Order: sequence, then C-alpha cells, then structure tokens
Amino acid sequence: DAGVIQSPRHEVTEMGQEVTLRCKPISGHNSLFWYRQTMMRGLELLIYFNNNVPIDDSGMPEDRFSAKMPNASFSTLKIQPSEPRDSAVYFCASSLIMGLAIHEQYFGPGTRLTVT
Amino acid sequence: GQQLNQSPQSMFIQEGEDVSMNCTSSSIFNTWLWYKQDPGEGPVLLIALYKAGELTSNGRLTAQFGITRKDSFLNISASIPSDVGIYFCAGQLVAGGTSYGKLTFGQGTILTVHP
Repeated sequence: DAGVIQSPRHEVTEMGQEVTLRCKPISGHNSLFWYRQTMMRGLELLIYFNNNVPIDDSGMPEDRFSAKMPNASFSTLKIQPSEPRDSAVYFCASSLIMGLAIHEQYFGPGTRLTVT
Repeated sequence: GQQLNQSPQSMFIQEGEDVSMNCTSSSIFNTWLWYKQDPGEGPVLLIALYKAGELTSNGRLTAQFGITRKDSFLNISASIPSDVGIYFCAGQLVAGGTSYGKLTFGQGTILTVHP
C-alpha cells in the first residue's frame, strides 16, 4: 500500500521566492496534517484539515504561509515570500478519523527546505 | 495548552542493553503513541496505547499507558544498532466531540547504540 507521498523531497531556493510543497495522503484517510521540524523547535503542527476543510491553522507562523486541500487526495503548503528562517523539514501526515474513534497518524518522508 | 515532557533527551548505550524513556503531561490524554524517526525519514508509528494502564508489546518494544493518563513509557530490550534514531511520544485527546486526530508531541529522545 502506498503511504503518504510528499514532493519534492528536497527544495533549495533563494530568499523571496515562492515555495510550494505537495502532499498526497493515504487513500481513504480524511484528516491531513502539516508539520514543520527544526532542531530548535522540534515537531510543530502548522495546520490540519478534516474532510478537506481547514480545522485549525493556529500553528501557521505567519501570513506568508498558506495551505490548501482542494480534494481528498491532494494538499499544498505554500510559502510566499520565503525567508532563510523557514529552512526546515516539512512533514505531511494523514489519518482516518471517525467520530470519537481514535486512529493513528501516518507520516510522509518529508520535504527538506533550504532557503538561502 | 497541553505540554509533553519527554526524557531523557539523549541516550548512549551499548548494544544488548535495555533502554527506557518516558513522557509526562500536564493534562490527560485518551491515547498515547510512540514513533521512531530514522535520519532523513518521517516518524514511523511503533506502538499505540488506548486505555489507561494498558501494557502493549511489539517485538522488543514494550509501552505502557499510565494509570493517571498523564504519562507513558517505552522500553526497548536487548538493543541493536538499527534501534538508533529519535523516539517521540505523542498524546491525543478526544473531548466534546472529536479532536480530528490532533497530536501533541514530546521533544524526542535521541538514541545512539554502540556496537
């Protein structure tokens, strides 16, 4: 079975450029999560969706960050304009949530972003 | 908000030794999860715990959900070099409807195993 798919795996860009990260969740999952990981701050939840609807974006650091989920099989995280302090590994994770039942979250391999 | 304290931050052990790490929370959780992250990869789920007091094993891994619902530990027995990585605990709270699966993560434990 295919897991969570992220692209690109690595991205190097110059400050000021727009960056778009992509995620395909596990088929059948209805919740999708975007995380950022750095040495200093660990794993931070940026935003999550349920049934393609953004539920909580309080973790998005600034207005430069935006995320969309146009359908159940695709999500994007966009940074515009990018800054060096955005350099991090960005993970996408998905889960199947049904009422009060608790389901595990599965992570993609991550996108390593370097902004110079 | 909820805070998870994971300890130790790092461990250096000899192959064959047992390992123990734990997480404590300022508030209760309904679920505790333990993940392992290899270099350059995403976290991979190791064990999920759903009931207070539950003790679950997965091969050489054993994890327990604390009776107070505010803590969990993970033990690795007879460590081997491929156990190297970062181990994360994560808690999930479902209250008043659904949490939509939101997890709160610990800071991670970096494990180094010397052959």
